[in-house]
This record gives sequence, C-alpha cells and structure tokens, in this order.
Amino acid sequence: SQQGEEDPQALSIQEGENATMNCSYKTSINNLQWYRQNSGRGLVHLILIRSNEREKHSGRLRVTLDTSKKSSSLLITASRAADTASYFCATDGQAGTALIFGKGTTLSVSS
Amino acid sequence: KAGVTQTPRYLIKTRGQQVTLSCSPISGHRSVSWYQQTPGQGLQFLFEYFSETQRNKGNFPGRFSGRQFSNSRSEMNVSTLELGDSALYLCASSPIFGTPAGYTFGSGTRLTVV
Repeated sequence: SQQGEEDPQALSIQEGENATMNCSYKTSINNLQWYRQNSGRGLVHLILIRSNEREKHSGRLRVTLDTSKKSSSLLITASRAADTASYFCATDGQAGTALIFGKGTTLSVSS
Repeated sequence: KAGVTQTPRYLIKTRGQQVTLSCSPISGHRSVSWYQQTPGQGLQFLFEYFSETQRNKGNFPGRFSGRQFSNSRSEMNVSTLELGDSALYLCASSPIFGTPAGYTFGSGTRLTVV
C-alpha cells in the first residue's frame, strides 16, 4: 500500500518560477526522501531528511518535514526546463528497510 | 564509478512464460532491492537482498522470486507471467543494510507481457 501521497498530481509552470510539491504519509518514519524520475527511467535521489530535522537545503531544493502533520514539501526554486520530471517522496516502511513511495507529482516546466 | 546496471533494458514476453532480470550494483554495495513500477500501483517494493540473503519481502505472489550472488549481483525471476506483470522493474543498491538512505537506482528493465 502507498505510504506517501503527493499533491498535486501534476504541475505546470514557466521557467524561473518556483515549484512546490507536497507529500503526506500515514505512519511514523525514520526519514523521508525525495526522488526524481525522468520519463520512465531510473530514480535519482535528491535529498533525505531525517525525522528529527525540520528543513533541509540542497542547491535549488528545499525540503521541509512536519512529523506532527505527517507531511513534507519539496520546493524547487527558479525552475528550469531540465527540471521536467516526476517527483516522488519515499518513506522507510515499518520494517525499517523498504522504501514506500507515493504516486508522484509530474512537473512540467516550459520555457 | 559505474552505476547500477540492469539488463536487459527492454523485454517482451508471452503470458505463461518466465523471465529473469539482472542487476549489477555499484562496486562495494552489498544491498540490492527490487521495485516494480506500474501506472496503476506506482512503485512497489518487491524484495531486498544483503549478503546473499533475502532480508525483506514485499506483498507479491510467490511467482516473484530473487537471489543474490557472492559478488552482490542480483537476479529476479517471474514465473508464469501474467499481463499485469507488465511494468518497469527497478533495482537499487546501497552500501549498507538497515537503512534505506543513499539508494542508487538503475535505469530499469521494461517488461511487456503480451
């Protein structure tokens, strides 16, 4: 079953704009990760945030985590056409090792 | 260093056949996990291997099996293929077991069952 659920399912923006994606999950976690997938290819790890962290930055990416609301957000600033992809949040399952993915947000950035 | 290599990239099989997919992890990585991705169900965990032992298994029927060799390479096998097995199968490797942080994924094998 899905643990994370992303919102929105699809997002279309112009280059230079910011893109915000949200993820909600159901059970307690050790950490939450965000991945990017380009057109049905493999997943690329973007950023990991631990359950005791509230915010993390990596380049143009900013991730927040609110464990009380069981939610996370991924902000991509100054989007580029190359950011066009599907973005997934993933949490560690109750067994502690398997990643449980949401259904993803499809981001389209037009120039 | 070389990434995670999955072979073949594409595969077309007939219902009832069986298929074997291969995954070579990053050198030094000892944990290999498999995921199935379909439009309807999204990404779902199949199983994880570490040091040639299956350490964790997802909720898939027994037709799905896997193994890991002493060089950490892994194979997964699907027997008696069904149309619903059509999917992108992704392999991920990690240097350690016990935390999923730092997974590196391969480009996947796209299986089509006709």
